[in-house]
Amino acid sequence: QKEVEQNSGPLSVPEGAIASLNCTYSDRGSQSFFWYRQYSGKSPELIMSIYSNGDKEDGRFTAQLNKASQYVSLLIRDSQPSDSATYLCAVLNRDDKIIFGKGTRLHILP
Amino acid sequence: NAGVTQTPKFQVLKTGQSMTLQCAQDMNHNSMYWYRQDPGMGLRLIYYSASEGTTDKGEVPNGYNVSRLNKREFSLRLESAAPSQTSVYFCASSEASGPDTQYFGPGTRLTVL
Repeated sequence: QKEVEQNSGPLSVPEGAIASLNCTYSDRGSQSFFWYRQYSGKSPELIMSIYSNGDKEDGRFTAQLNKASQYVSLLIRDSQPSDSATYLCAVLNRDDKIIFGKGTRLHILP
Repeated sequence: NAGVTQTPKFQVLKTGQSMTLQCAQDMNHNSMYWYRQDPGMGLRLIYYSASEGTTDKGEVPNGYNVSRLNKREFSLRLESAAPSQTSVYFCASSEASGPDTQYFGPGTRLTVL
C-alpha cells in the first residue's frame, strides 16, 4: 500500500513564528506533491504544489521537497490565527493516483 | 461561476435505504472524483472519472456506484446504506487526471442510523 504519513498534531505555534509541517511518502516513483488547507467544516483548498527537489515559495508559504529522503514539508512564516486549520499533504503516485495524508492540525496561538 | 456544487448538504438515512449524491462542476473539467472523509482517516478516494464516459474504482469502492452523466455531472449512489458509510463526502474536479489541481465541493454530511 502506497502511503502518505503526517503527524496528526495538534501543532501549536505562537503568532508570528514559523510553522513547520512535515510529510513522508512511501512510493519512490511519486512525482507531484500538494499541500491543501482545510478549515473546520469546510472543504480542502490547494495552497501549494511542488514537482522538483528544493524549495518553492509563494508569499508566506514555502514548500520543500527532498525526493531522495521521500520527504515534503510546508513552512508558514509569520503565522497568523487565520492559518489555524488542518493541512493535508497529497502525493501523486506512479499509478497516477493522488493519495492524501490524514492531515496535521495547526493551531496558531494569539 | 459556482465551481463544484454538491447536493444535498446534509442527509440522514436508515440502514438499508438508498440515495444518490449529486455533484456538478462548471469549470469544463475533464476529471471528477468522489472522496469520503472520516475522523482520523483523511480523504479516501471512492471512485473517479478521468474523462466523460469512463469511471474507475478508488481505494474504498465497496457499497457505492457512480455515474458520469455528462462532462459536468458525476453522481454517487449508495444502494443499501450501512452505518459504516456515515461520513462526509466530497466531490472534486480537475482539468485532467494526474498532477492537476483538484477543486473540491462543499461536501455532504451523511449519517446512516
